[in-house]
Amino acid sequence: GESVGLHLPTLSVQEGDNSIINCAYSNSASDYFIWYKQESGKGPQFIIDIRSNMDKRQGQRVTVLLNKTVKHLSLQIAATQPGDSAVYFCAELISGSARQLTFGSGTQLTVLP
Amino acid sequence: NAGVTQTPKFQVLKTGQSMTLQCAQDMNHEYMSWYRQDPGMGLRLIHYSVGAGITDQGEVPNGYNVSRSTTEDFPLRLLSAAPSQTSVYFCASRPLNGATNEKLFFGSGTQLSVL
Repeated sequence: GESVGLHLPTLSVQEGDNSIINCAYSNSASDYFIWYKQESGKGPQFIIDIRSNMDKRQGQRVTVLLNKTVKHLSLQIAATQPGDSAVYFCAELISGSARQLTFGSGTQLTVLP
Repeated sequence: NAGVTQTPKFQVLKTGQSMTLQCAQDMNHEYMSWYRQDPGMGLRLIHYSVGAGITDQGEVPNGYNVSRSTTEDFPLRLLSAAPSQTSVYFCASRPLNGATNEKLFFGSGTQLSVL
């Protein structure tokens, strides 16, 4: 899976199936995580976020799961649609005064008809 | 809602030329930042600001200058462009005081090519 540091270039899924995009992080002091979606030629758009005191958070068709034990984050997209085709980034914030987002390299999701 | 506005959208420079990438936000956000995006490397922080008159370096600040004279504007200056600065640049902002989350709002980007 994607890591804030490693690169998983592509993920292809059939339209209507569920998608799971993974992200590994290395800093145990990270206390806030965000998923962004970036369509071609556009800036990243916020999808969903989660704080480290939670294990799961749900939005509209999206769910983020956080496993702090293994430092793993995943984004689940239900009933994937063609409009979901994009690059997905996870980002983390490390607790403390700096509070700068660190981004992973992204996963390209392609939805097949 | 305009949100975060970046200009220009595309720019081609010759090595050694200077230019300023403009960024403006109309959400009264205290925090503004510049990122560059290179293939396979995600977004890397160049400079950021937590308010007018306050700027600080990010992960990759060399070759770039910033200033923050107003809350709304956060221009990024390349004093002497180099081919290594060919990239897509994103400006982003978020509120600081009273914020319930820390998500960044991004502009649509500036694609810069240095020949």
